[in-house]
Amino acid sequence: GAGVSQSPSNKVTEKGKDVELRCDPISGHTALYWYRQRLGQGLEFLIYFQGNSAPDKSGLPSDRFSAERTGESVSTLTIQRTQQEDSAVYLCASSLPRFEALDTDTQYFGPGTRLTVL
Amino acid sequence: GDSVTQMEGPVTLSEEAFLTINCTYTATGYPSLFWYVQYPGEGLQLLLKATKADDKGSNKGFEATYRKETTSFHLEKGSVQVSDSAVYFCALSDAPWSAGNNRKLIWGLGTSLAVNP
Repeated sequence: GAGVSQSPSNKVTEKGKDVELRCDPISGHTALYWYRQRLGQGLEFLIYFQGNSAPDKSGLPSDRFSAERTGESVSTLTIQRTQQEDSAVYLCASSLPRFEALDTDTQYFGPGTRLTVL
Repeated sequence: GDSVTQMEGPVTLSEEAFLTINCTYTATGYPSLFWYVQYPGEGLQLLLKATKADDKGSNKGFEATYRKETTSFHLEKGSVQVSDSAVYFCALSDAPWSAGNNRKLIWGLGTSLAVNP
């Protein structure tokens, strides 16, 4: 079946502009994660969605970052008033929810969106 | 807080050489441990995992054993191929039962491997 998809694959924007990144998880995966990978650094957790529960936003670096998810499908990550330090690859991953399957630990990643803020 | 430390790269080997990429972790609970791989131009893929002490994960000739006494999860392969050239990431997931199912991954910085023919 189809994997996790993300769009756009590349985004170049000017400092101060808003950007919106999209993630389509694997069908049936109720858990969805956003991570950020800055050059030379490991991946950083940003936000977690699980079904209709309140999201875990503990990884969002500032109030310029927000994310939404409609039910158990598409998610969008929005960065307002982008700064140069927001330049990174933004990765989305989905997984089966804990307690509902044996393989709940495995996260399946999309190809990422490379964001460049000029 | 939880953390993962993996050996710095880049690592350059000749084909058929033995590979070890060291990974150690700190965690407050009983984490699951993972190796992910990113081939050139591709997304992150799970390579192998282990969910409890002394478990061995294996895939594509790679192995890693969950060592609680040394808090390590070193990746090994007996004979590397050119096609193994990639960036390898060690990660852990350490959500306690009260965490609301958030299995966020804590990542190492990645180790770049180049295998020459």
